[in-house]
Amino acid sequence: NAGVTQTPKFQVLKTGQSMTLQCAQDMNHEYMSWYRQDPGMGLRLIHYSVGAGITDQGEVPNGYNVSRSTTEDFPLRLLSAAPSQTSVYFCASSRPGFRDRVNTEAFFGQGTRLTVV
Amino acid sequence: AQTVTQSQPEMSVQEAETVTLSCTYDTSESDYYLFWYKQPPSRQMILVIRQEAYKQQNATENRFSVNFQKAAKSFSLKISDSQLGDAAMYFCAYRSAKVWGAQKLVFGQGTRLTINP
Repeated sequence: NAGVTQTPKFQVLKTGQSMTLQCAQDMNHEYMSWYRQDPGMGLRLIHYSVGAGITDQGEVPNGYNVSRSTTEDFPLRLLSAAPSQTSVYFCASSRPGFRDRVNTEAFFGQGTRLTVV
Repeated sequence: AQTVTQSQPEMSVQEAETVTLSCTYDTSESDYYLFWYKQPPSRQMILVIRQEAYKQQNATENRFSVNFQKAAKSFSLKISDSQLGDAAMYFCAYRSAKVWGAQKLVFGQGTRLTINP
């Protein structure tokens, strides 16, 4: 059972380049999210999705695009990378908890360390 | 908007001793969930313990327990009998009960815990 898989694990980009961070989950979770982790700031929500075709912005969405065409995949696109986007990126998934208030924990991928030079 | 604050960037403890990590949060909601996540050097986010705000009893998971003070909006994590494997970054996180999944977590800045042998 793979859980949440992120690729690549490491990436170096030049300023202005574009790339897509991949995220896939095999738990049939409806909800997926992208976070960025920066020193002293914890994890901050970039975008999230509550199902295929439905996405919304989080706390720090600027410079990032997302789409959700399938339940399994939730890619994060950087259209024109900037040094300020140097960070560790985490994808997470969870299932709705309206039947079970408690068991709605988020499952995280291993993260992608992105450096923009 | 909700905020989570961890005022201790770093903590250290002797192996086998007890350590308490602090977390405060701000919210106008009455129903929510609080979590402690552990992030070892592998970067994996591991759920340590969770607390439902509607429960007065403090959550406990083996050597990990919380002190949940709802009126004071405080949620501290106590680690008893500290082990070398407990060394990690610890994040406190908040989730509103208004959303059905864990797709919109709010994290604190993190506390790096060092265990001295």
